Amino acid sequence: GDSVTQMEGPVTLSEEAFLTINCTYTATGYPSLFWYVQYPGEGLQLLLKATKADDKGSNKGFEATYRKETTSFHLEKGSVQVSDSAVYFCALSDGNAGNMLTFGGGTRLMVKP
Amino acid sequence: NAGVTQTPKFRVLKTGQSMTLLCAQDMNHEYMYWYRQDPGMGLRLIHYSVGEGTTAKGEVPDGYNVSRLKKQNFLLGLESAAPSQTSVYFCASTSGAKIINEQFFGPGTRLTVL
Repeated sequence: GDSVTQMEGPVTLSEEAFLTINCTYTATGYPSLFWYVQYPGEGLQLLLKATKADDKGSNKGFEATYRKETTSFHLEKGSVQVSDSAVYFCALSDGNAGNMLTFGGGTRLMVKP
Repeated sequence: NAGVTQTPKFRVLKTGQSMTLLCAQDMNHEYMYWYRQDPGMGLRLIHYSVGEGTTAKGEVPDGYNVSRLKKQNFLLGLESAAPSQTSVYFCASTSGAKIINEQFFGPGTRLTVL
């Protein structure tokens, strides 16, 4: 079956540092890939997505490129802020009947001033 | 436009008690989902629905039942709660169009079973 693997956290960075959160996946066919973010005490919200190989999703300074050859979708940001502190989830959907998402375990990011 | 709402926000149950979690969405979405979130395990799908009157099992359906009598509502029931069901429960919805769209999540229900 489908699976998503993320780097374990927490990731602790200083403000303005460069961020990379690794995500690799296993799936049949050509899945769509997503990054969701969960701020403290809230539900998940979509951060960015990519639907085919070599697509780059971007939002709020975050980027991720769909790499089919390495089955990866790593999240990057050039300069993190304290307000980016949250839990980040990588997810995929393989176009199944229910458009179901398969999630990674989540990576907690803590940014210190 | 409230999006996806969940009731209640918090609940404490004793083992063997029953309860129903309510999810409501005002976006006219066809598809709705119930997930549970446990530390280090991401979100796991319990049940889902692709339209009014339909439900299907997800990855971890045991101990839960669901109903979708109205398009805007998706109910999750625990008939006899167990400590293993202590978790945070999230409801989500999406339009269900052929294009894979984002899922919109509610704020969650934190359930503790003693």
